[in-house]
Amino acid sequence: GAVVSQHPSRVICKSGTSVKIECRSLDFQATTMFWYRQFPKKSLMLMATSNEGSKATYEQGVEKDKFLINHASLTLSTLTVTSAHPEDSSFYICSARDGQGREKLFFGSGTQLSVL
Amino acid sequence: DAKTTQPTSMDCAEGRAANLPCNHSTISGNEYVYWYRQIHSQGPQYIIHGLKNNETNEMASLIITEDRKSSTLILPHATLRDTAVYYCIVRVIGTGNQFYFGTGTSLTVIP
Repeated sequence: GAVVSQHPSRVICKSGTSVKIECRSLDFQATTMFWYRQFPKKSLMLMATSNEGSKATYEQGVEKDKFLINHASLTLSTLTVTSAHPEDSSFYICSARDGQGREKLFFGSGTQLSVL
Repeated sequence: DAKTTQPTSMDCAEGRAANLPCNHSTISGNEYVYWYRQIHSQGPQYIIHGLKNNETNEMASLIITEDRKSSTLILPHATLRDTAVYYCIVRVIGTGNQFYFGTGTSLTVIP
């Protein structure tokens, strides 16, 4: 199946700093990528839909100025958590849709963010 | 709105079939049923999807009722590595249409 690479897998940062998470589709072009966050023992919550070459679409309640998404190419989307606070600590997961008619969503391995 | 209802947890003996139910009574005619699973601290893994016909692949079988209001994911011979949270999702196929995850079923395969 298609491969989605996400980096870093784990990051620890100080409160007030910004953290960038990268999501790459390695063997296919992804015009659409999705970003999720997940708290311990909870389900995945969709944060935003990232469209190549255009602005991301954010789910209700997600602060777009807090979570900056850039999808500048067909294989790369980035999520930047700006001015991180401890409550932003979470597991962030990206995914990309396989547009080759198979309509599957492939996921990265996730990034565990811990804000001190 | 995840639109699906699944049992919170299930156990299955190793080597036996695991049957995971999903209720999607409000499913629309153009919505597909997808199944993903998530092993602890990893990204979800695609298992199978279907519209109305039963589907089978190397991982599992998907049985969809005739009225499409429910479905069952079948892992024919469960192994310890199948222990995971299994998510049933309904979604309209098409560019940009999102995948919304419900609470899922935590499956534990017991030796």
